[in-house]
Amino acid sequence: NAGVTQTPKFQVLKTGQSMTLQCAQDMNHEYMSWYRQDPGMGLRLIHYSVGAGITDQGEVPNGYNVSRSTTEDFPLRLLSAAPSQTSVYFCASSYARSGPRNPDTQYFGPGTRLTVL
Amino acid sequence: AQRVTQPEKLLSVFKGAPVELKCNYSYSGSPELFWYVQYSRQRLQLLLRHISRESIKGFTADLNKGETSFHLKKPFAQEEDSAMYYCALRNTGFQKLVFGTGTRLLVSP
Repeated sequence: NAGVTQTPKFQVLKTGQSMTLQCAQDMNHEYMSWYRQDPGMGLRLIHYSVGAGITDQGEVPNGYNVSRSTTEDFPLRLLSAAPSQTSVYFCASSYARSGPRNPDTQYFGPGTRLTVL
Repeated sequence: AQRVTQPEKLLSVFKGAPVELKCNYSYSGSPELFWYVQYSRQRLQLLLRHISRESIKGFTADLNKGETSFHLKKPFAQEEDSAMYYCALRNTGFQKLVFGTGTRLLVSP
């Protein structure tokens, strides 16, 4: 298993540009989420999904869109990049509900370092 | 509202010294608490969870509901413990995690 993969690893954008951060997992996990990691702020939840076709907002959703057309993929779209979106973005996946048969571990991707000029 | 507080941004100790990374939480329900660790140039990974009451890499953490704390402890720090540590909580049975701001542990020789 490749686990959780993210592309690209690094990206530089100009203000106003749009782009999509890719996230994929091959563990058949229902739950997927996006976080941003900023110094002194920890990890903050942007959007999450409990299954294909179902998404919901996290703590800091403004400026970001997501969709979940398949179980495997959960792309994060920046509609019009702003310098405040300079951050490291992590995708994570797990089973939707923890239980005796479902390990409750969330698996994280390697991250995408985004700089918006 | 769910909240996780890690009061120390940086904790610096010498090898062999005891370590305690503090974590306090506020939550009205029955939370599950976790410690995640991020070593240099590696992805975030689960270190331990309160429910299993396990010791991983010499680290332990006890959930104190009275003090709403979940401090991470290790009696003798090693240089390879240097990393970023995040405390996190979630509602029992669900996966949505709330993270603290993290504490960087630096263990010097």
